[in-house]
Amino acid sequence: GAGVSQTPSNKVTEKGKYVELRCDPISGHTALYWYRQSLGQGPEFLIYFQGTGAADDSGLPNDRFFAVRPEGSVSTLKIQRTERGDSAVYLCASSLNFRGEKYFGPGTRLTVT
Amino acid sequence: QKEVEQNSGPLSVPEGAIASLNCTYSDRGSQSFFWYRQYSGKSPELIMSIYSNGDKEDGRFTAQLNKASQYVSLLIRDSQPSDSATYLCAVIGSGTYKYIFGTGTRLKVLA
Repeated sequence: GAGVSQTPSNKVTEKGKYVELRCDPISGHTALYWYRQSLGQGPEFLIYFQGTGAADDSGLPNDRFFAVRPEGSVSTLKIQRTERGDSAVYLCASSLNFRGEKYFGPGTRLTVT
Repeated sequence: QKEVEQNSGPLSVPEGAIASLNCTYSDRGSQSFFWYRQYSGKSPELIMSIYSNGDKEDGRFTAQLNKASQYVSLLIRDSQPSDSATYLCAVIGSGTYKYIFGTGTRLKVLA
C-alpha cells in the first residue's frame, strides 16, 4: 500500500515568510509524528498526534511553530515568520497506534534564505 | 549526557564481514528500541524493533538488547556495499510514545 507522503518535497522561502508543510499518513494509522532533522544529526521530535488532538507538542521550538490534524488523517505543520535557523528536513511519520513502529515519509527540505 | 548515544563513525568494514553498531540510552525505564537505516538524502527506513532482552534475528540483521546495561546493538552479517548508510538508533522512553534518536553511525562497506 501507499506509504507516508509529504508535500512539497522542497521549499525555499525568504526569511519572515509563512510556510505550510503537509503530511498524508498511511491509511488507518491513528498516530502521526513530526520530526526535524539537521545535517549530521538524528531526527528531533516536534509534535505527536493521536487522532485529531496533539498528544505531545513539547518539541515545538517556539510559538512560531504550529501543527493541526483536523480530521485525524492529513496533518499540516505551519511555521510563521521563518528564520534561517528553521532550515532543515521536516519528517513526518505515522504508526498504527501510539505503541506501533513508525514509518517515515520522504521529508520536506525547507530552506530559509 | 545525551539520552541516546551512538558513535558517529564512520565505521568501515570489508564486504562480507560482520558490522557491529552500538547504542546506549540513559532512561532506564525505556521499553521499546528500534533501528533505522538512512541513505544520504533519504528518510529513515525501519530495519528492526526489539522490546525484550536478548537477540532478535531478521535475515542478515540481528538486534541485541541488554536493559541492565542500557545497551542495544545491531549486527549486520555478510555486509554488502549497499548496506553503506547511516544507522539510527531510536528509543521510546518511559511515560512517552515519541522516539528519541541518536545521532546515527555512518557505516561504509568496502568492496
